[in-house]
Amino acid sequence: KNEVEQSPQNLTAQEGEFITINCSYSVGISALHWLQQHPGGGIVSLFMLSSGKKKHGRLIATINIQEKHSSLHITASHPRDSAVYICAVAFFGNEKLTFGTGTRLTIIP
Amino acid sequence: NAGVTQTPKFRVLKTGQSMTLLCAQDMNHEYMYWYRQDPGMGLRLIHYSVGEGTTAKGEVPDGYNVSRLKKQNFLLGLESAAPSQTSVYFCASRTSGGNQETQYFGPGTRLLVL
Repeated sequence: KNEVEQSPQNLTAQEGEFITINCSYSVGISALHWLQQHPGGGIVSLFMLSSGKKKHGRLIATINIQEKHSSLHITASHPRDSAVYICAVAFFGNEKLTFGTGTRLTIIP
Repeated sequence: NAGVTQTPKFRVLKTGQSMTLLCAQDMNHEYMYWYRQDPGMGLRLIHYSVGEGTTAKGEVPDGYNVSRLKKQNFLLGLESAAPSQTSVYFCASRTSGGNQETQYFGPGTRLLVL
């Protein structure tokens, strides 16, 4: 069964802390996306990964294909990082994305 | 560029009423999707389209119909709304380059069925 699991479901941290959000999936994939959904509801794409690591500003995404696992890291977290972070994967042979249930991140000033 | 827009932003329906949600994109994207988002669940695909004039069922298509008469527009119809269709609906689009391509999302439509 093609499944995507995210952890933790909820995460509260102090401003400045290093944040890690995890995503695990069940079978081989062709791509993994990290998305951000702000309280207003809009969804934006942060990263697409098929291997290795990508960095954009304070955000870093990594993927380990053998372990079927990806992590999203936020360095020097800020209250404006408060959002729901969603992992989505494209399983091999499937044109569609399967989405995790999201991690709700709250950064306290 | 407006990107992906959705109309309306919010709607309240009574059980049995019908409505159409409109998604429009100005990026000349081939692929368009309709998702619903419910508390505690990931985004679930309702229907999608890989090009003008084509549509296909997703994970949860029952109770919905779609049409893609023009490349830039993707319509989602509810013929007879049910309370179970209370949800937030998102439209998305992408190019035809495969699942490594970024999906661009609309702002969402919040639907309440009483």
